Amino acid sequence: AQSVTQLGSHVSVSEGALVLLRCNYSSSVPPYLFWYVQYPNQGLQLLLKYTSAATLVKGINGFEAEFKKSETSFHLTKPSAHMSDAAEYFCAVSDYESGYSTLTFGKGTMLLVSP
Amino acid sequence: DAGVTQSPTHLIKTRGQQVTLRCSPKSGHDTVSWYQQALGQGPQFIFQYYEEEERQRGNFPDRFSGHQFPNYSSELNVNALLLGDSALYLCASSHQGGANGELFFGEGSRLTVL
Repeated sequence: AQSVTQLGSHVSVSEGALVLLRCNYSSSVPPYLFWYVQYPNQGLQLLLKYTSAATLVKGINGFEAEFKKSETSFHLTKPSAHMSDAAEYFCAVSDYESGYSTLTFGKGTMLLVSP
Repeated sequence: DAGVTQSPTHLIKTRGQQVTLRCSPKSGHDTVSWYQQALGQGPQFIFQYYEEEERQRGNFPDRFSGHQFPNYSSELNVNALLLGDSALYLCASSHQGGANGELFFGEGSRLTVL
């Protein structure tokens, strides 16, 4: 069975500050890992994904994440927050056994950006 | 290129009623997955359809059923609605079961059960 834990239901940063959203996963087999963003009243948009290639993954809108197997983590970062980054962010995991497109999501982290 | 489209966007039902939600996948995609997102929660996998058959199913009761048509579009049906079925229902499409894991999501159908 897989699971995802996102630490912090809400994260507040100032515009221009570093964004760090934490994600830890549990999987008995090599995982695929994803970060999705959800803007109000919209569906989910893929930010980036790890599929067993490079451990540092770069995504859209300046976001990146690093897969650390020893820490079972896949934290999302952005060097400088922008007001438009305010949204809810979801970390998700899948693997070969469960079907690569069957995702298990965390509960999400709401990112608040203040001027 | 149209993305994933869902209808209706919003609907209100009463307990005990039945509801049908519809989804058209992104062009070129043949696999449709349905997720339920309750308020304040992450999406939860309901089931996935490929080649007009249910391939995988999450931990949802039989009141939740689905169908995929030859043109790859899909329906989600929920019978005997409960208050707890109120949620955003998301459809996601992928190609050949999503071998690379990438799903494209629609904007969802928000169901309110009174």
